[in-house]
Amino acid sequence: NAGVTQTPKFQVLKTGQSMTLQCAQDMNHEYMSWYRQDPGMGLRLIHYSVGAGITDQGEVPNGYNVSRSTTEDFPLRLLSAAPSQTSVYFCASRPAGTKQETQYFGPGTRLLVL
Amino acid sequence: SQQGEEDPQALSIQEGENATMNCSYKTSINNLQWYRQNSGRGLVHLILIRSNEREKHSGRLRVTLDTSKKSSSLLITASRAADTASYFCATSQGGNNRLAFGKGNQVVVIP
Repeated sequence: NAGVTQTPKFQVLKTGQSMTLQCAQDMNHEYMSWYRQDPGMGLRLIHYSVGAGITDQGEVPNGYNVSRSTTEDFPLRLLSAAPSQTSVYFCASRPAGTKQETQYFGPGTRLLVL
Repeated sequence: SQQGEEDPQALSIQEGENATMNCSYKTSINNLQWYRQNSGRGLVHLILIRSNEREKHSGRLRVTLDTSKKSSSLLITASRAADTASYFCATSQGGNNRLAFGKGNQVVVIP
């Protein structure tokens, strides 16, 4: 299994540009999440999904959209990039249920918005 | 949303010594988890302790949970240079088990 994969690894955007960060997992996990990591801030939850067709907002959802059309994929869209969105973005997944609660993280996407 | 808060935030120790990190949180939880992050990489799950458990071991890791004080500690015994990393606690609450992460502890193990 490849686990959780993310593309691209690095991206530079100009203010106002849009882009999609890709996330895929091959473990048939129901739950998927997007986090951003900023220096000294830990990880903050952006959006999450508990299954295909179901998404919900996390702690810092503004400026981001998500959709979940398949179990495998959970893309994160930046509608109009801002310098405040410069960060490292992590996607994570885990199975549903209370006995499988550990999350599996992707390697991250480093985004710089100029 | 609640967040774990680790203390201390940076720790430098000699190889072979023990490293202890603490985490506090504000509200009731389902479980508390510890993750490790090597520089430039994603997070890797280390250990999970449920709200009805007080202590758990996994290899050289020992985690404790005190729900009355809303705090947890992670002990790494006989540290190795490969343990150099950032360590995060994360609390799970609610029906969908959303995780709230602390700010992380940076541990440097000097060979």
